[in-house]
Amino acid sequence: NAGVTQTPKFQVLKTGQSMTLQCAQDMNHNSMYWYRQDPGMGLRLIYYSASEGTTDKGEVPNGYNVSRLNKREFSLRLESAAPSQTSVYFCASKGRRLSSYEQYFGPGTRLTVT
Amino acid sequence: QKEVEQNSGPLSVPEGAIASLNCTYSDRGSQSFFWYRQYSGKSPELIMFIYSNGDKEDGRFTAQLNKASQYVSLLIRDSQPSDSATYLCAVNWGSNFGNEKLTFGTGTRLTIIP
Repeated sequence: NAGVTQTPKFQVLKTGQSMTLQCAQDMNHNSMYWYRQDPGMGLRLIYYSASEGTTDKGEVPNGYNVSRLNKREFSLRLESAAPSQTSVYFCASKGRRLSSYEQYFGPGTRLTVT
Repeated sequence: QKEVEQNSGPLSVPEGAIASLNCTYSDRGSQSFFWYRQYSGKSPELIMFIYSNGDKEDGRFTAQLNKASQYVSLLIRDSQPSDSATYLCAVNWGSNFGNEKLTFGTGTRLTIIP
């Protein structure tokens, strides 16, 4: 049981390049999330998917697109990377824990856009 | 705009003492509250959640919630060097038990001094 996995772990892009961040979970969770974390800004929700086949915008969706490929996988795409998208990106999935739902986070992708 | 405020710290506490972390939130309708711990370079992990006014204890950790004053706190008793981390407060502005959307504070950096 690997939990939530993310690839790649590190990436450097030039301005204008595109890339897709991959996320997969093996816990059979319905909900999945993409966050970015910047120094002094905390975690901010980019997009989320409440279930397979649905996606919704979070707090900071501009410049990103997502695909919920199946129940396991939720990818985040940067079509034309900008320096402002330099950040650490976390994927999370949500499952039941005791009397609540807990978000389980992946290890993160550290992205630098030059 | 749903806001969650935390003192960024750093907060330094001697080993064995009580560490007290505070968080205030703007959305009076928020129903559930979470404390995540994040070690440097790692992903967040859930340590406590609380829904009801009052205290909730789990081992050395106690979460306190006061909805009238819109604050939630985390107490760590018998602080250990391994508690040194950034603590993120998160507030759910979606529905409970299935459709949570979290807004995170910027985190408080805690250092336990041996």
